[in-house]
Parts: sequence; structure tokens; C-alpha cells
Amino acid sequence: HSALTQPRSVSGSPAQSVTISCTGTSSDVGGYNYVSWYQQHPDRAPKLMIYDVSKRPSGVPDRFSGSKSGSTASLTISGLQAEDEADYYCCSYAGSSSVFGTGTKVTVL
Amino acid sequence: QVHLVESGGGVVQPGRSLRLSCAASGFTLRTYIMHWVRQTPDKGLEWVAVISDDGNEKYYADSVKGRFTISRDISKNTLDLQMNSLKPDDTAVYYCARNLYGNPEYWGQGTLVTVSS
Repeated sequence: HSALTQPRSVSGSPAQSVTISCTGTSSDVGGYNYVSWYQQHPDRAPKLMIYDVSKRPSGVPDRFSGSKSGSTASLTISGLQAEDEADYYCCSYAGSSSVFGTGTKVTVL
Repeated sequence: QVHLVESGGGVVQPGRSLRLSCAASGFTLRTYIMHWVRQTPDKGLEWVAVISDDGNEKYYADSVKGRFTISRDISKNTLDLQMNSLKPDDTAVYYCARNLYGNPEYWGQGTLVTVSS
């Protein structure tokens, strides 16, 4: 499976909303409702923010939301805050494997 | 509380072998699917391998198939990754992760593997 396609970077001012896309194929994103999103700060391990396309683990703010249409999943961060500045990766189940996105750097202006 | 700690990383010459280990606490490996994932600055995150909760099914990325082996020791509650015939392209931070609905959930802090002569 080839890596899922994400924009290299997105930016927004505090309190604004940003959306990150994650495009795959019918063999991964389009074929399963098992898309996860991870936040990664420098020199830290990835942290799960969204699973099963749109579910939030306990402790993740409801500013983070996920959705999917066809073979494209999306992560929206509403009410952007300074601590949201990080790299974000999507990940999709793909049968007997998982495939990650190329990663998006979110900058808070 | 779920805790994963990787170890075994280091500098190794091309063609040599290395074995990574991941110590799990707060849960038992026999009830969870587990992953290995690696990360480089250039390629980002790359899924490497997965082992089923019963240990009977193992799957690998094409880039490591035939060279890497995922396994676990239930008595020690550890997950291992045996890496043979290492290449410079295998240089990365390697993470172990517990599964949630097909994808990684909890991650360890990672261990750095550098393949260089």
C-alpha cells in the first residue's frame, strides 16, 4: 500500500478552524471505517486523537473531529490553540496491515 | 496504566542483525494485537509489522518481509522484532504500539536504529 496523501502543511490563527485531508484508495480509507489520526510534537511519540473515523479517546478535546467521504478522511481542529501546533498523521486499516499518511504540519499563526 | 518501553536500538553495520524488545505493563499481550511502526524524518511514519492477539498471525510491510520477524514472549509480557540483513534504509526510530480497531493506539517512546558502516 502506498502512503496516504496529506497536505504538507496547513496554518491558522488562534480560534480559527483548520481541516487536514487524508486521501487513500478503496483498499484502505475507502474500504474500511478504521481511520485514526495522531498528533506528534517534536521528539515525542505520536498520540491518538481520533479512531474509527470520528471517535475521540477519553481526554481528547472535542475541538478535534474526524469524518470520511469515499476514500478521503478529514481531521478538523476547531478553535485552534497554540498547543495544537504539531505534526498530524492519518492511518488506515488496509486488511492485514495499516498504512500511514505523509504527515501534515499544523502551524498556529 | 498502559506503558510500553522499547529497547535494543543502536548502531549496526549493513547486513548485520539487531533485536528490538518492547516491555509492556498495565495490560497483558495475550489479549491485544500489537504493532511495530518506524519513523524517519524523510518518510514519516511507516507501518512495519503486526502480530495477532493469539500470536498465530503475523503480517509485514513489503519493505521488511523476509528480513524481519515479529514475536512475543507471554511469560515476560514482551514484544520483539528480530531484524536481519539490515540496510541503511532501515535507519529509523522504531515504536511498538498496542492496537485499537486495526490501528495503533498506545505507543512507546521509541528506540533509534542506525544502520551505517
